Amino acid sequence: QKEVEQDPGPLSVPEGAIVSLNCTYSNSAFQYFMWYRQYSRKGPELLMYTYSSGNKEDGRFTAQVDKSSKYISLFIRDSQPSDSATYLCAMNSGGYQKVTFGIGTKLQVIP
Amino acid sequence: NAGVTQTPKFRILKIGQSMTLQCTQDMNHNYMYWYRQDPGMGLKLIYYSVGAGITDKGEVPNGYNVSRSTTEDFPLRLELAAPSQTSVYFCASSYSRERGTYEQYFGPGTRLTVT
Repeated sequence: QKEVEQDPGPLSVPEGAIVSLNCTYSNSAFQYFMWYRQYSRKGPELLMYTYSSGNKEDGRFTAQVDKSSKYISLFIRDSQPSDSATYLCAMNSGGYQKVTFGIGTKLQVIP
Repeated sequence: NAGVTQTPKFRILKIGQSMTLQCTQDMNHNYMYWYRQDPGMGLKLIYYSVGAGITDKGEVPNGYNVSRSTTEDFPLRLELAAPSQTSVYFCASSYSRERGTYEQYFGPGTRLTVT
């Protein structure tokens, strides 16, 4: 079993839709959770960062962590064609441990 | 700030050739990383460094070498290139907080083909 599971998609939605992207994980020691956005042929860029359980909002983006279910989500409201990219979840257990990445979900927002 | 820069952007190597992928960051981060990204496989850590003069292996270090003589630079060396090293290579850096280090900042990548 992989430490982090993420559906690779692709996920196609119409412009303006609410998008839900998810990851599950098996390591209960994970407590720092990140979402990266990667445009085609570019490097990943950090979108959101959360510690432990709860929600964090930044503009149209909301990151949610449920440690009891080992499940994290990224919601995108009012999705735009410019949101079309691959979204990678990432997490680690804190301290100076390595970060474990999901394989990424490819999202396409159709105008 | 330029952030993390990588050169070259693209390279085609013949089997058995060697090359160095360059990585520089101007954020004064002490942690630096090399990843490879293959379709459907996600990011795999090759090597990392916690500061100048200190490096350590990641998940997939075979066929690669690194050095870290300065805070800014972290080159990745491929010796005797093999087709299995065809991939996109990303360099990243991060800084230390009082509780650790996590969010990483990535370069634009080097697309390498070995034929």
